[in-house]
Amino acid sequence: NAGVMQNPRHLVRRRGQEARLRCSPMKGHSHVYWYRQLPEEGLKFMVYLQKENIIDESGMPKERFSAEFPKEGPSILRIQQVVRGDSAAYFCASSPLKQTFDEQFFGPGTRLTVL
Amino acid sequence: DQQVKQNSPSLSVQEGRISILNCDYTNSMFDYFLWYKKYPAEGPTFLISISSIKDKNEDGRFTVFLNKSAKHLSLHIVPSQPGDSAVYFCAAGSQGGSEKLVFGKGTKLTVNP
Repeated sequence: NAGVMQNPRHLVRRRGQEARLRCSPMKGHSHVYWYRQLPEEGLKFMVYLQKENIIDESGMPKERFSAEFPKEGPSILRIQQVVRGDSAAYFCASSPLKQTFDEQFFGPGTRLTVL
Repeated sequence: DQQVKQNSPSLSVQEGRISILNCDYTNSMFDYFLWYKKYPAEGPTFLISISSIKDKNEDGRFTVFLNKSAKHLSLHIVPSQPGDSAVYFCAAGSQGGSEKLVFGKGTKLTVNP
């Protein structure tokens, strides 16, 4: 049973470009969470999605950021017109059920560098 | 406004001794606490958790203690091993509330042989 998959592992973008980060949850998991880790910081919650629904996006910046988790395929975190401050590690986690904190498994992360 | 604080950015201990990592929280709504271990270039890995109805949870070499009145928890690792060297994150959540976990900034543990 493969773990949470994220790709790409490393992504380099120039200011103004778009970044697309993908997350494939563990098999059987229908809940996906995105977190961002800035340098020297802890992980900060961004968004929680279930299939085809955004449940909580309270941690997502209001502009340029969007997330989706379609019926088929991976969850996508999209950052438009990236700026240097978007450089960070973006982690995705998945869980099988609501609020099973112990079973929130994390992927290896995507490290975004904005030049 | 940091709701979960890990005030020690780093900790160094000798192999075989006890490692104690500390975490403080401010939000009284938190009722579930977790410790994660993270190696460079990897995602966090769940280590151990504790519900607010308990004050101690033990799993092998790892024990988590919770002091609700002080809003403080600690992770004890005994005996410490070189393979325990990693960054440890404390996280808190609210069962029955939001799905999100709130993380501290982490403590880098180095266990010297």
